[in-house]
Amino acid sequence: DQQVKQNSPSLSVQEGRISILNCDYTNSMFDYFLWYKKYPAEGPTFLISISSIKDKNEDGRFTVFLNKSAKHLSLHIVPSQPGDSAVYFCAASFGNEKLTFGTGTRLTIIP
Amino acid sequence: DSGVTQTPKHLITATGQRVTLRCSPRSGDLSVYWYQQSLDQGLQFLIQYYNGEERAKGNILERFSAQQFPDLHSELNLSSLELGDSALYFCASSVSWITEAFFGQGTRLTVV
Repeated sequence: DQQVKQNSPSLSVQEGRISILNCDYTNSMFDYFLWYKKYPAEGPTFLISISSIKDKNEDGRFTVFLNKSAKHLSLHIVPSQPGDSAVYFCAASFGNEKLTFGTGTRLTIIP
Repeated sequence: DSGVTQTPKHLITATGQRVTLRCSPRSGDLSVYWYQQSLDQGLQFLIQYYNGEERAKGNILERFSAQQFPDLHSELNLSSLELGDSALYFCASSVSWITEAFFGQGTRLTVV
């Protein structure tokens, strides 16, 4: 039972344009959502998070949007840079307990 | 560098064998988490230890076991290995909450 889903395994975006990565979840008890970035041969690194009491959180070029009614969150990267090429995982938590991860989206930024 | 150290980085072993993966958490972190990432899968939570005691269990097989030692490092033991156990195994550590955890580089296990 995949409670967190990333339906796009890969995404290619031109440098300077906006990258939008999507994530859907099924468990309405999740109250905290995170995005991680992973380069090859490295562990996931925390990127940005959002609590379920908010619908938007911004950090520099990265913005996460949460639509609770649709059980959907998205990560926007503007403008996209070559260094953003990586695998992005969304994850969800309930009560600060274990993280449930999606399967990841491989983002490729085309120079 | 996240400050979480996992050894070894790579491990190749035969079916039926037993291996031990090691994790040294960041200084001061009391919680250690183990995750498994199989091909094209997300990270699957295996088990959490907090200050030496098991705190939460996920989809961990009975052939797998873990422990956290008094110096807070943790070991994940995988026995009677099968081809399907080939995966990346990540360790993460935090002071307390998983939402503040930092991940190690992972150990890539290949079972042949």
